Amino acid sequence: QQKVQQSPESLSVPEGGMASLNCTSSDRNFQYFWWYRQHSGEGPKALMSIFSDGDKKEGRFTAHLNKASLHVSLHIRDSQPSDSALYFCAVSEPSSNMGYKLTFGTGTSLLVDP
Amino acid sequence: AQTIHQWPVAEIKAVGSPLSLGCTIKGKSSPNLYWYWQATGGTLQQLFYSITVGQVESVVQLNLSASRPKDDQFILSTEKLLLSHSGFYLCAWSLSGGASQNTLYFGAGTRLSVL
Repeated sequence: QQKVQQSPESLSVPEGGMASLNCTSSDRNFQYFWWYRQHSGEGPKALMSIFSDGDKKEGRFTAHLNKASLHVSLHIRDSQPSDSALYFCAVSEPSSNMGYKLTFGTGTSLLVDP
Repeated sequence: AQTIHQWPVAEIKAVGSPLSLGCTIKGKSSPNLYWYWQATGGTLQQLFYSITVGQVESVVQLNLSASRPKDDQFILSTEKLLLSHSGFYLCAWSLSGGASQNTLYFGAGTRLSVL
């Protein structure tokens, strides 16, 4: 069972601040990286995916992928109280039936203080 | 628009009793379907996935079974619940081609408490 470690476990930032979340995979076969967000009592929702080295920006969210180190990060600028949630990175292998297996990380709990 | 509906919203069951959880996807034909389990505040563990009607692949053994009797329906069940089955069960769908490059769309989940 491959492991996907996230850090920190929990994070508190002031409203309007920058939140930075990290994720490291232990398997070089993982090629596809996702960020999902889960508000309390709800199902997770996809934030963004990143498949190539470098940065990808979507609104206030920027993901950075370094495939050589199997590390992906998520940066949230201008954090809002509504960003308070559990954040998961998820990784997948592209090969045939493993393409249906998405492994989620350990999660980071983000609290944005108003 | 596609909708995903899970039922029931919550269950309280006794150890050793049977369980059946359901999931229906409307507005999308031939989706890939998934069951995930989540301990409170924990990560999501994939349990099963299904590419087509009648075909279900198990990802991890947890004394649970799954079936896909119709294109838009996914059922999770067991004949005997264990305390360890408590948690949050999430159904999800994606476009065909798997979860690698396609977004997973999750339902609102079923909260299960086994006493």
